[in-house]
This record gives sequence, C-alpha cells and structure tokens, in this order.
Amino acid sequence: DQQVKQNSPSLSVQEGRISILNCDYTNSMFDYFLWYKKYPAEGPTFLISISSIKDKNEDGRFTVFLNKSAKHLSLHIVPSQPGDSAVYFCAAKDGGSQGNLIFGKGTKLSVKP
Amino acid sequence: KAGVTQTPRYLIKTRGQQVTLSCSPISGHRSVSWYQQTPGQGLQFLFEYFSETQRNKGNFPGRFSGRQFSNSRSEMNVSTLELGDSALYLCASSFLPSGRGTEQFFGPGTRLTVL
Repeated sequence: DQQVKQNSPSLSVQEGRISILNCDYTNSMFDYFLWYKKYPAEGPTFLISISSIKDKNEDGRFTVFLNKSAKHLSLHIVPSQPGDSAVYFCAAKDGGSQGNLIFGKGTKLSVKP
Repeated sequence: KAGVTQTPRYLIKTRGQQVTLSCSPISGHRSVSWYQQTPGQGLQFLFEYFSETQRNKGNFPGRFSGRQFSNSRSEMNVSTLELGDSALYLCASSFLPSGRGTEQFFGPGTRLTVL
C-alpha cells in the first residue's frame, strides 16, 4: 500500500506559466515533507521542505503548500522555466527518530518554450 | 566539497550472480542510506547506516545487505540476483542520521541490469 502518492505521472506546462505538482499521503504520522528534483543520469537533489506545523513554505520560485486535513501537499513553480523540466519526487517522513524517507513515484514535468 | 560518489555507474550481471555496489559519502557525513529506483515503484528505501551500524531497514528480502566502514564509505550487496533486481540504486548521505530537517544528498546512482 503506497503511503505517498503522486497520481500524475507527467505534466506539461508552457514556459512562464505556473506548474503545480500534487502529492497525497495516507499516514497521519508523517510530519515532515520534502520535494526532490531529478534529472536523467543524476541523483535526486533537494528542492524544498515543509514541517507539518506550517501550511506554506516559499523559496524563490518554489512554494510548497500543505493541507493536513486533506493529507495533501503541492509544489508550485512560478514562473516555470525550461530548465525546470525534470522528474519531481514528493517524500515524507514520520516523526520517529528512526523515520526514513517514503517517496512517491514521481511526476515528470516538461516545460515547453 | 566533493559530492556523493557511487561506483560503478553501470553494471550488467546475470541471474544467480551476486553484486557489490559502493558509495562514498560527502566528507564529514556519517549517515548513508540506500534506495532502489524502478519505473513502477519509484524510490524505495533499502537501509540506512550511521557510524557503522544499521539504523533502519526497508521491506526487502535478506538477499539485500549492506555495511559501512569506519571512514563512512558504504557497500551494498545483492546475492542470487533476480531479473526484478534491475534498477537504479541510489545512495544518499547526510551529516546526522535521517530525521527531521536532515537533508540527504544523493549520488548519481548505479544502474544495475540483470540478464
């Protein structure tokens, strides 16, 4: 049973517009969430994170929103750039000291010029 | 500062063989985690080592094992390879054990193909 779900395998957006990537989770013990970006032939790189005590975290063009009641988070990229084209992974961690990262299957974002 | 390095980058093996993958973390990092990435399953956690001790283990069969050395370098071993073991194996390092606020830095991965 998947605890972290990214239901859209792919997303195509025009350059300059907003990209919205969604992620749902089932485990109410998760209290820390991360987004990673992955280019082909490279390992994932950390983008942005959010703690469950917040509902929004912003870093430049990237904003993550957390809706705890809906067990849903989203990553907004504004404005989208062709260099943002990559696979984006949502990950979650529970509050325990032994908690490891649980990843979604990823969403492939294509930003067209 | 050099990033996480993984060797080899590509590997082809046949069913029944065993394989050892290596990961060198960022200098000063003492935690190393291993993940398996497949198209159908995304990234799945294998295990984490910190200061030469396994802290956490994912839901993988005993054919998958690992260890960490005193210099924090880690190896992962898969015995009796199966076709389904074909995947990208990623290693990630962090200064502290995995936990809230601890960012993990990933290596480029080792692409294992089992024929």
